Amino acid sequence: EIVLTQSPATLSLSPGERATLSCRASQSVSSSLGWYQQKPGQPPRLLIYDASNRATGIPARFSGSGSGTDFTLTISSLEPEDFAVYFCQQRSKWRTFGQGTKVEIK
Amino acid sequence: EVQVVESGGGLVQPGGSLRLSCAASGFTLSTYWMAWHRQAPGKRLEFVANIRPDGNEINYVDSVKGRFTISRDNAKNSLYLQMNSLRGEDTAVYYCSKDVLGGYFEHWGQGTLVTVSS
Repeated sequence: EIVLTQSPATLSLSPGERATLSCRASQSVSSSLGWYQQKPGQPPRLLIYDASNRATGIPARFSGSGSGTDFTLTISSLEPEDFAVYFCQQRSKWRTFGQGTKVEIK
Repeated sequence: EVQVVESGGGLVQPGGSLRLSCAASGFTLSTYWMAWHRQAPGKRLEFVANIRPDGNEINYVDSVKGRFTISRDNAKNSLYLQMNSLRGEDTAVYYCSKDVLGGYFEHWGQGTLVTVSS
């Protein structure tokens, strides 16, 4: 099983700041990695697929990069609605999710 | 508007059964792979099963093989998960979603809670 490890567990930032979230895979997943946002009481929402492609309707402030085992989700300037938990997910072998990074208001 | 709504969760004793349903609207179910996931308290999301549009290809996570059955009724725009021989570790919120782009998940429902306890 491919294990995805996200860091940090919690990121405390202010609106307008840049957020950088990391996801590391236990083996190469090529570019087969996505990112999701989940707010309390809501289901996950797909943000990024295949490492760097924004899903439909996702604002340009969200960007993804990386390949192989190391991936990054960047939120260029945090909006109030961006404070949430973010998960990564790989589709290279089966489907597995990371444990999540919480982006909280500082 | 695309919407998926899960139902059928509840409290069940170990060894019991439940059937979850997922009602889809705003899109044609018959053109999409669909999936079930779960999230146990304090644990990461887990992909449980998926099913091809025609129902002829199905995949399960090892921990549910032989106990859970995913199915669909495209005429009713519905997805199902029959869960038998339930265990405590099956306690989770269960979500359905579209399975898109070769293995990512869009349009998740709000989830339905399954609690396995005596």
